[in-house]
Amino acid sequence: EVQLVESGGGLVQPGRSLRLSCAASGFTFDDYAMHWVRQAPGKGLEWVSGISWNSGSIGYADSVKGRFTISRDNAKNSLYLQMNSLRAEDTALYYCAKEYSSSSAWSFDYWGQGTLVTVSS
Amino acid sequence: SSELTQDPAVSVALGQTVRITCQGDSLRSYYASWYQQKPGQAPVLVIYGKNNRPSGIPDRFSGSSSGNTASLTITGAQAEDEADYYCNSRDSSGNHLEVVFGGGTKLTVL
Repeated sequence: EVQLVESGGGLVQPGRSLRLSCAASGFTFDDYAMHWVRQAPGKGLEWVSGISWNSGSIGYADSVKGRFTISRDNAKNSLYLQMNSLRAEDTALYYCAKEYSSSSAWSFDYWGQGTLVTVSS
Repeated sequence: SSELTQDPAVSVALGQTVRITCQGDSLRSYYASWYQQKPGQAPVLVIYGKNNRPSGIPDRFSGSSSGNTASLTITGAQAEDEADYYCNSRDSSGNHLEVVFGGGTKLTVL
């Protein structure tokens, strides 16, 4: 059974940092790209960042570029999101999602339950 | 980056058919994926690729695509289908890892 378990969320002051983790199990972690997606309270889904299986390719949303850094440790089956210079608008539930990709299809086929980040003084 | 546009809200009578649409330039290059999200729960993949359903998703859910528009159709909507639905795809304007989501459609089953 595929499991994605996020951790590391919490209450943090504006301008401070936080590191999120996602522990993966039930699949061959280093075969797949992984992503972070967030959802502000009462709002829609927003893609944050993605990383290829070998960390060779990385992408960020414009809203977090230069402040957030995605990384992964395939030996530990773990995905990370280092969030610096946090702003009130970064307040959201942060989901870890596994990418499925083939020659004919693509999707986020598994999602974690999310970890809540609240940026407030 | 690209954008995907969805109608904010759609309603359907119990047992009837409803189509939820998603428009954007990236859909000319990539299929959309569709996700169902119920209150307090993580999103669940319901349709991906040309018209593929993950295991466990009822066959009343189907997908289609034409030009820059993707559609999710629920044939014979049930009360449990009331949820928010989101589309996403790869972003055709950036690197292959960049992704775009639609704003979501709130489906009400009457």
